[in-house]
Amino acid sequence: NAGVTQTPKFQVLKTGQSMTLQCAQDMNHEYMSWYRQDPGMGLRLIHYSVGAGITDQGEVPNGYNVSRSTTEDFPLRLLSAAPSQTSVYFCATVTSGGTGELFFGEGSRLTVL
Amino acid sequence: ILNVEQSPQSLHVQEGDSTNFTCSFPSSNFYALHWYRWETAKSPEALFVMTLNGDEKKKGRISATLNTKEGYSYLYIKGSQPEDSATYLCAFENYGQNFVFGPGTRLSVLP
Repeated sequence: NAGVTQTPKFQVLKTGQSMTLQCAQDMNHEYMSWYRQDPGMGLRLIHYSVGAGITDQGEVPNGYNVSRSTTEDFPLRLLSAAPSQTSVYFCATVTSGGTGELFFGEGSRLTVL
Repeated sequence: ILNVEQSPQSLHVQEGDSTNFTCSFPSSNFYALHWYRWETAKSPEALFVMTLNGDEKKKGRISATLNTKEGYSYLYIKGSQPEDSATYLCAFENYGQNFVFGPGTRLSVLP
């Protein structure tokens, strides 16, 4: 089992460029989420989804879009990258309906110049 | 916005020392409290998920307790080893399956 797979692992963008961070999971988890990690601030929730076709905003959603057309995939889109979006991004999944643990991808380090 | 706090922010201990950290969280709408271990350049890995007031969980030299009435959890490491060096995150989970993470405690165990 691959678990949670994130791509790319590293990306450098110029201000104003757009890109998509991919997240795929093979554990049939209903719940998928995106976090960003910044020094001294822990993990902050950007967007999450409790199932295909359902998405919702987290704590810091501005500047990001998501969609959930399948159970397996939950891409995160940056429409017009800004330096403030320089961060490490983690995708995490958990099975719904119980106190399951979160399973994290390996992270994607994004730098916006 | 829910506030989850962790203390200390960082600490250095000698190999063999025992140590503990604190996680403070809202006592309302509580569903579960998670602890994760996060090594540099890796992704966080779950240590414990606790749901009941008074819960105590143990995995090897690491254990955790939970007080939902007063909103805190302790993580204990007995006989710290250099491989325990990591950031330890706690996360509050509410009934909507929303997870709010604390900022973490960075532990360095010196040989």
